[in-house]
Amino acid sequence: AQRVTQPEKLLSVFKGAPVELKCNYSYSGSPELFWYVQYSRQRLQLLLRHISRESIKGFTADLNKGETSFHLKKPFAQEEDSAMYYCALSGKQKLVFGTGTRLLVSP
Amino acid sequence: GAVVSQHPSWVICKSGTSVKIECRSLDFQATTMFWYRQFPKQSLMLMATSNEGSKATYEQGVEKDKFLINHASLTLSTLTVTSAHPEDSSFYICSASGGQNNEQFFGPGTRLTVL
Repeated sequence: AQRVTQPEKLLSVFKGAPVELKCNYSYSGSPELFWYVQYSRQRLQLLLRHISRESIKGFTADLNKGETSFHLKKPFAQEEDSAMYYCALSGKQKLVFGTGTRLLVSP
Repeated sequence: GAVVSQHPSWVICKSGTSVKIECRSLDFQATTMFWYRQFPKQSLMLMATSNEGSKATYEQGVEKDKFLINHASLTLSTLTVTSAHPEDSSFYICSASGGQNNEQFFGPGTRLTVL
């Protein structure tokens, strides 16, 4: 079965601090993993996908198949990063979302 | 980027009535559209997947007679909640894909409140 786990409901950090949002998954095949972000009063939007191996807004995420993880990291958090972050797994065209982590970056 | 709209953005209805929610891809042809449901402080749960011109594929536990999905064109899908009850109150979100990498673009969501 496809499952995505985000253990933290809320992550609160100060501006300039490093950030790591955790995501673990279970999937029997080769997964495609994503991070989506939802800023206040805005729609869900794609932040990054593991196959792109790119950095978006300073965020990176590396797929670790051994640990079945896809943690999202940023070395220096900014206030504008405050948002809801969802990890998602794509299998057979469908997206399965984690429960989300709210990131709050304080000045 | 690609834009997906939903209408209405919110709706309040009486128990027993039916409500139709529209999802449109404004600047691309969406071969596949998805309907999600999100309860407060919970994740998005996929309800069904619809491909243009064919019947929707519903997820386990989703009543197809309760949630009617139509995807008659490459830019429009509709979700009709039939005989709505208070427990159907939720946030309904659609997404559409049609690009080369099958990226899903999300609509802003529709909040349904059934009294």
